Amino acid sequence: AQSVTQLGSHVSVSEGALVLLRCNYSSSVPPYLFWYVQYPNQGLQLLLKYTTGATLVKGINGFEAEFKKSETSFHLTKPSAHMSDAAEYFCAVSEAGRRALTFGSGTRLQVQP
Amino acid sequence: EPEVTQTPSHQVTQMGQEVILRCVPISNHLYFYWYRQILGQKVEFLVSFYNNEISEKSEIFDDQFSVERPDGSNFTLKIRSTKLEDSAMYFCASSEGLVSYEQYFGPGTRLTVT
Repeated sequence: AQSVTQLGSHVSVSEGALVLLRCNYSSSVPPYLFWYVQYPNQGLQLLLKYTTGATLVKGINGFEAEFKKSETSFHLTKPSAHMSDAAEYFCAVSEAGRRALTFGSGTRLQVQP
Repeated sequence: EPEVTQTPSHQVTQMGQEVILRCVPISNHLYFYWYRQILGQKVEFLVSFYNNEISEKSEIFDDQFSVERPDGSNFTLKIRSTKLEDSAMYFCASSEGLVSYEQYFGPGTRLTVT
């Protein structure tokens, strides 16, 4: 069975600082990996995904993530935080060939002025 | 930009009543999904639907749940006899086709069972 662990339920950074949100997964087969963002009172918006190919993937709003198989990680980064990045971020995984997403518990990002 | 829509945004029902949550997926998408998030807990997969039949379901999706695509645009989740523990945010999602695994989510319906 798959599982997703997001370290840190709350992360606070200053505007302009590096954002690093951690995600580790366990899966018995090569996974597909996703990051979603949820703004207040809105649905989940896809930020980026990894399925195959290049392990460093770029997404919307300047975010990127790197798939590291040896570390079973898919951490999300952004070089410079913006106030508008304040939201909840969810890492999710699906087994290759399956559709069901398994989500982590989410990390709430606060950006301080 | 096309988006998944859900109605109602908030539904209050009494225990034992039937509820139907409605979703309009993105128009050219072929896969449809329901997820739920109980307050303070993780988002959980319920069911996926393709070609007018269930393609995957979780152990949560028991006999009290059913899904239907009654026409060319709507996708519904029915809960036959609601329980207090069914109170949650229910998200509908859709994805494009056989090779695309990106799921696009609606804003959710908050179901409160009293």
